[in-house]
Amino acid sequence: ETGVTQTPRHLVMGMTNKKSLKCEQHLGHNAMYWYKQSAKKPLELMFVYNFKEQTENNSVPSRFSPECPNSSHLFLHLHTLQPEDSALYLCASTALADSNEQFFGPGTRLTVL
Amino acid sequence: GQQLNQSPQSMFIQEGEDVSMNCTSSSIFNTWLWYKQDPGEGPVLLIALYKAGELTSNGRLTAQFGITRKDSFLNISASIPSDVGIYFCAGRASGTYKYIFGTGTRLKVLA
Repeated sequence: ETGVTQTPRHLVMGMTNKKSLKCEQHLGHNAMYWYKQSAKKPLELMFVYNFKEQTENNSVPSRFSPECPNSSHLFLHLHTLQPEDSALYLCASTALADSNEQFFGPGTRLTVL
Repeated sequence: GQQLNQSPQSMFIQEGEDVSMNCTSSSIFNTWLWYKQDPGEGPVLLIALYKAGELTSNGRLTAQFGITRKDSFLNISASIPSDVGIYFCAGRASGTYKYIFGTGTRLKVLA
């Protein structure tokens, strides 16, 4: 248990569906991240939020829409995805000010049909 | 952009053997992190390094922050079957919230 939880753990959706991924951290951290992990590729940073403000958008297609209502919660809203978007989506958090340790959630395995 | 080269890509070793892997960067980092990931799970932080030359241990694991600040090393001593997994390095430069990840080293331990 890393203190970062993600739901759902598995998600299957059609290309016309709209779904959301949820991440919650119980560590008092101020920065939260979304990563995409595809088979045989390095972890790809998607978005970074610091104190609820988006500080990084790594050229992510607009069919992925992040939301950070507070420093403990992070969402990734999905719509009209493509099969190549199937991957493990990982959320992470870090304190930044106190340390640079980054902690990951267990991930959501997404399959787009 | 910044790149991290991690090697080796994969290793097959006998139980009890020592393991070494490393990461090199094209630019300077002020933080190096080492993770282990099991199938279908998120990466778990093993060791964090913050100073050039720093050597830090966590049980049978030892990691070092390279003097040039462009590389880092992870050693696992006396490997056991549960060491199987993918090991990732990650680096962060000062003034950024971004972590750059290596491509991973897949470790298999033969009993």
